[in-house]
Amino acid sequence: EPEVTQTPSHQVTQMGQEVILRCVPISNHLYFYWYRQILGQKVEFLVSFYNNEISEKSEIFDDQFSVERPDGSNFTLKIRSTKLEDSAMYFCASRPRGGAYEQYFGPGTRLTVT
Amino acid sequence: AQKVTQAQTEISVVEKEDVTLDCVYETRDTTYYLFWYKQPPSGELVFLIRRNSFDEQNEISGRYSWNFQKSTSSFNFTITASQVVDSAVYFCALDGGFKTIFGAGTRLFVKA
Repeated sequence: EPEVTQTPSHQVTQMGQEVILRCVPISNHLYFYWYRQILGQKVEFLVSFYNNEISEKSEIFDDQFSVERPDGSNFTLKIRSTKLEDSAMYFCASRPRGGAYEQYFGPGTRLTVT
Repeated sequence: AQKVTQAQTEISVVEKEDVTLDCVYETRDTTYYLFWYKQPPSGELVFLIRRNSFDEQNEISGRYSWNFQKSTSSFNFTITASQVVDSAVYFCALDGGFKTIFGAGTRLFVKA
């Protein structure tokens, strides 16, 4: 069964460094998402992406964040200058064109900012 | 505004007990989807069920059952004869378009 994959599974970085989290959505999906979950809290929407542009973004998704689909398979989340409070699990998700609104989630990347 | 409320923060039961996790949602959309996800200690999100707003049929899958009531904007989840492996955080979620809104989650402890 096709699945969303994310790399790395765990990333440790120092405050102020740039990080890029990578996701490979399911191949025929056209809608892509990033979510964040701070430890012990709920999963929060960050951004949705369709047709090579951002469809919607939350107030969390400020200028420090950017997303890109650099090629036909990867979908990346970049945090330009990480802060301690960026430490969280980041989930990528994808959805097929139209149809049911089921999003398929990746296993997540745990980001630790020290 | 869309909102999902899971009023139960933590529930603790003894194995073989039945347990119901509550979920209440708010949306102005007429077409939307509701979901339940399980998050075990390993951290991944495991999809359990999807329901669209036009389908109020209750569903049973093994020990799991779901009760969707549009009149009360609720989508409750019942685990029958709970097992230790059911211990996890369970999230209810609402999707009306370009994003999914999650509830705060209910942490379920099932003791042997």
